[in-house]
Amino acid sequence: DAGVTQSPTHLIKTRGQQVTLRCSPKSGHDTVSWYQQALGQGPQFIFQYYEEEERQRGNFPDRFSGHQFPNYSSELNVNALLLGDSALYLCASSLGQSNQPQHFGDGTRLSIL
Amino acid sequence: SQELEQSPQSLIVQEGKNLTINCTSSKTLYGLYWYKQKYGEGLIFLMMLQKGGEEKSHEKITAKLDEKKQQSSLHITASQPSHAGIYLCGAKQGGTSYGKLTFGQGTILTVHP
Repeated sequence: DAGVTQSPTHLIKTRGQQVTLRCSPKSGHDTVSWYQQALGQGPQFIFQYYEEEERQRGNFPDRFSGHQFPNYSSELNVNALLLGDSALYLCASSLGQSNQPQHFGDGTRLSIL
Repeated sequence: SQELEQSPQSLIVQEGKNLTINCTSSKTLYGLYWYKQKYGEGLIFLMMLQKGGEEKSHEKITAKLDEKKQQSSLHITASQPSHAGIYLCGAKQGGTSYGKLTFGQGTILTVHP
């Protein structure tokens, strides 16, 4: 039973570029959430997707956008990258209408030069 | 918005010692989740608490949610080097069954053999 998988594991970009991160949820899960974790901090919620729509959004600018596909996988897109976007990006999946815990992938380490 | 504060921020113990990590919320907790993270990796789910006074144990780790539901503690008995890592508490806002997790800043645990 595969858990949450994210790709790529590491990525290096320069300021102003655009990036797409990908996530496949745990089998049986239909909801995907994205988090940004800066060094030494707890994860910060970016947004959550359910039934291919953004259900909830954190305090992130419109440069951060996402998508969920019919197979429940998801993408996180970031435009006009800034140095401050350097972080570990975590994807978590869960079952939509339950209190069951979110399960996390190993993350994508994004470095902006 | 809800804020979670963890204490201590870091902890260094000798193998075999007991330890406690606390997580205090600015608002009533409707679901408290404990995760463990190895540096630069994803979060591993440990335990979920939902009811005031609830206590759960897994191997040598026990988590409690106090009666007033604004504080949780994580206790490790007879610590081992394998317990080392970053411990994070996360909570959902309000009474919704879905939605974002708000995390504390994490507690870094080091266990010396």
